[in-house]
Amino acid sequence: GESVGLHLPTLSVQEGDNSIINCAYSNSASDYFIWYKQESGKGPQFIIDIRSNMDKRQGQRVTVLLNKTVKHLSLQIAATQPGDSAVYFCAEVDYKLSFGAGTTVTVRA
Amino acid sequence: GAGVSQSPSNKVTEKGKDVELRCDPISGHTALYWYRQSLGQGLEFLIYFQGNSAPDKSGLPSDRFSAERTGGSVSTLTIQRTQQEDSAVYLCASSSPNSPLHFGNGTRLTVT
Repeated sequence: GESVGLHLPTLSVQEGDNSIINCAYSNSASDYFIWYKQESGKGPQFIIDIRSNMDKRQGQRVTVLLNKTVKHLSLQIAATQPGDSAVYFCAEVDYKLSFGAGTTVTVRA
Repeated sequence: GAGVSQSPSNKVTEKGKDVELRCDPISGHTALYWYRQSLGQGLEFLIYFQGNSAPDKSGLPSDRFSAERTGGSVSTLTIQRTQQEDSAVYLCASSSPNSPLHFGNGTRLTVT
């Protein structure tokens, strides 16, 4: 069956540096992906999405890159801030979301 | 409020008791989802509603789990004869065709 996974379970980043979080997916027919951020004690929060007709999409301080050839997604966070510390999930979307286990990002002051 | 609301936020119950978890989706969202998240894990799909019907309930772990949705709005997830392995955070999300899934903050269930 399909699976969605993140490459690294943890990422430690110096405040002000850029962060890159990676995700691999297995269903080549998937055409819609979402990144979520989950802070402690809260539900996942939508960050940014991308459809398969795009390679790149930018938001505020975040960029998502999609490489359909190798079935890989990445989330880039510019100038990482302490408030960016959270668990980040990528999700593959059809009528429901399939999530990986998440990457825990810790921002060092 | 404008977001997905879940209640209670925390629930402690004794093994063998039944529990009901409630979800109020965003107004106008026709799709509603229940997910389960165990400590330090990703989100496990449980059930999907479109309106009041559940075209996909494939994620329900056992027949002790059931869910319903009434009036195309509020949903309840019921767990009968709770077991310790049911301890987790139960998350509800809703969406519409023009809106991605928005999650509530979940109900943390602890079975003692």
